[in-house]
Amino acid sequence: AQSVTQPDIHITVSEGASLELRCNYSYGATPYLFWYVQSPGQGLQLLLKYFSGDTLVQGIKGFEAEFKRSQSSFNLRKPSVHWSDAAEYFCAVGTLNDYKLSFGAGTTVTVRA
Amino acid sequence: NAGVMQNPRHLVRRRGQEARLRCSPMKGHSHVYWYRQLPEEGLKFMVYLQKENIIDESGMPKERFSAEFPKEGPSILRIQQVVRGDSAAYFCASSPLGTGNEKLFFGSGTQLSVL
Repeated sequence: AQSVTQPDIHITVSEGASLELRCNYSYGATPYLFWYVQSPGQGLQLLLKYFSGDTLVQGIKGFEAEFKRSQSSFNLRKPSVHWSDAAEYFCAVGTLNDYKLSFGAGTTVTVRA
Repeated sequence: NAGVMQNPRHLVRRRGQEARLRCSPMKGHSHVYWYRQLPEEGLKFMVYLQKENIIDESGMPKERFSAEFPKEGPSILRIQQVVRGDSAAYFCASSPLGTGNEKLFFGSGTQLSVL
């Protein structure tokens, strides 16, 4: 069965500290991988995506993610968080030519001063 | 260029009432998708529509739920005789023709609360 797991429901990080959000997937086909962010009152915004090629993907707002096929993971990282990074983050998985995405349950990030 | 617009942002209904959720896709987008997020869960695909056509409704509950995307106007997700278990966030996404999941744009969602 296809599934996406985000093991951390809630993470608190100090402003300026590094952040890593975990995402593991179970998918039969070659996965397309996405990270979305939802700030309060906003829609889901695409941070980055991986389809093929270089396994280290750069996204917007200083985020990056690394695809590790051997670990079935696609973890999101940011070297130094800003207060505006407080939001909910969703990992999602799809496949080529499929319009559906499977989402993880999300990780809420709180940034303390 | 306005994004995907959903309204209302919050909708409160009593058990047995009807809920209508609206979604206006981004300009130039002809594909609309509805997702539901139950508490403590990830978003789950419900239905995929093009103008005047339902392409895939495999994620829709068999009863009480329906969706449409008319030639003119927004897409509507309709829930009849709501029950407490329908309380969730409902997200709409749109994409241009033929891009599948590569160019999905999401709205900010409608939070449905059933009393």
